[in-house]
Amino acid sequence: DTAVSQTPKYLVTQMGNDKSIKCEQNLGHDTMYWYKQDSKKFLKIMFSYNNKELIINETVPNRFSPKSPDKAHLNLHINSLELGDSAVYFCASSQVVGFGGYTFGSGTRLTVV
Amino acid sequence: DQQVKQNSPSLSVQEGRISILNCDYTNSMFDYFLWYKKYPAEGPTFLISISSIKDKNEDGRFTVFLNKSAKHLSLHIVPSQPGDSAVYFCAASGMEYGNKLVFGAGTILRVKS
Repeated sequence: DTAVSQTPKYLVTQMGNDKSIKCEQNLGHDTMYWYKQDSKKFLKIMFSYNNKELIINETVPNRFSPKSPDKAHLNLHINSLELGDSAVYFCASSQVVGFGGYTFGSGTRLTVV
Repeated sequence: DQQVKQNSPSLSVQEGRISILNCDYTNSMFDYFLWYKKYPAEGPTFLISISSIKDKNEDGRFTVFLNKSAKHLSLHIVPSQPGDSAVYFCAASGMEYGNKLVFGAGTILRVKS
């Protein structure tokens, strides 16, 4: 009964490939996010969806495309993977945009070789 | 451009003593602050928050202090326990900042028994 679940937990892939990371939350939250934790350990927001509508889109290469089929799911598709995309990607959800405690998934460690 | 700074990468404390984790921010539009705790291979978990209308918020062993004039907040853990050993992230948000959570780089806390 994991609140925010991400799959896969680990992903190793070659440069140039296209990959997807899936996220699902069973908390009934209206807002979902994708964060990237880079090599310097900063957690940086990439995207946010509220009730399937994109509300935050940071300066992220357009190779990254989020998709929210419903408010319980937010998937992240990455085209033409590059070495610099290697990072840990966290999905999160919250009831109110930005405020209160986000609930994070356990992360997906992406390694591009 | 780090808007939320945690200048101590790590902190080591004896069990039973006080742990003080510090955080500074630069953006005066931030008006809501949070602390998250993260264990290895897990996502961050919400710990405690404080609104800018307060200068202190307490929850059990955890107290957050906010000094708006200095743009500084701190998390106090008393008494520290070995299970508190984790990475602690400071985060800031605000309605005029689009309600995005901006994270610091984290501080590794080690509580020695």
